[in-house]
Amino acid sequence: KAGVTQTPRYLIKTRGQQVTLSCSPISGHRSVSWYQQTPGQGLQFLFEYFSETQRNKGNFPGRFSGRQFSNSRSEMNVSTLELGDSALYLCASSYSGRASDEQYFGPGTRLTVT
Amino acid sequence: AQSVTQLDSQVPVFEEAPVELRCNYSSSVSVYLFWYVQYPNQGLQLLLKYLSGSTLVKGINGFEAEFNKSQTSFHLRKPSVHISDTAEYFCAVNAGGTSYGKLTFGQGTILTVHP
Repeated sequence: KAGVTQTPRYLIKTRGQQVTLSCSPISGHRSVSWYQQTPGQGLQFLFEYFSETQRNKGNFPGRFSGRQFSNSRSEMNVSTLELGDSALYLCASSYSGRASDEQYFGPGTRLTVT
Repeated sequence: AQSVTQLDSQVPVFEEAPVELRCNYSSSVSVYLFWYVQYPNQGLQLLLKYLSGSTLVKGINGFEAEFNKSQTSFHLRKPSVHISDTAEYFCAVNAGGTSYGKLTFGQGTILTVHP
């Protein structure tokens, strides 16, 4: 079974630009969660999607958005990039997103904002 | 709201020695508990999870953890570590209910195994 894939693996962007990251979950998984990982703040939850609907959202500004497609693939978008958005963005999939479900993580996308 | 505290940011240990990585959580409701490991330049891999039942949970790679409700702890242990266990370890909780897909993580513990 193929794991969670994220593209691209590395990105360099300039302040003010926008960026779109992609996540393909494990086949059969319908829930996709996104996390931001930084040395200072650690791992923080961004949002979760299930059946194309956002069910849960973390404490991030509106510049961070996401969506999910009918095949469960998900994208997240960050507009008007700031230096502080430099981070590793991790996507995780699970069967249903229930609290007891194991989340399977992708390798992440390393975003550098200059 | 729930929170997770990992009491040690770094733990150095010699190969074949035992190790314990400490995790405390706070939550007003029952929680599900997880330990994940992250190797350099990789995503997170689940080591073990506690959902209910027996308080001693066994995971992959010889790791185990004990859930202690009265002390709100979920410490990770391994009786004999290997060089390959060098990585960062994260404790996480999910409080259930409407916390769909949301794991709350501790700050991580870097385990360094020396030869």
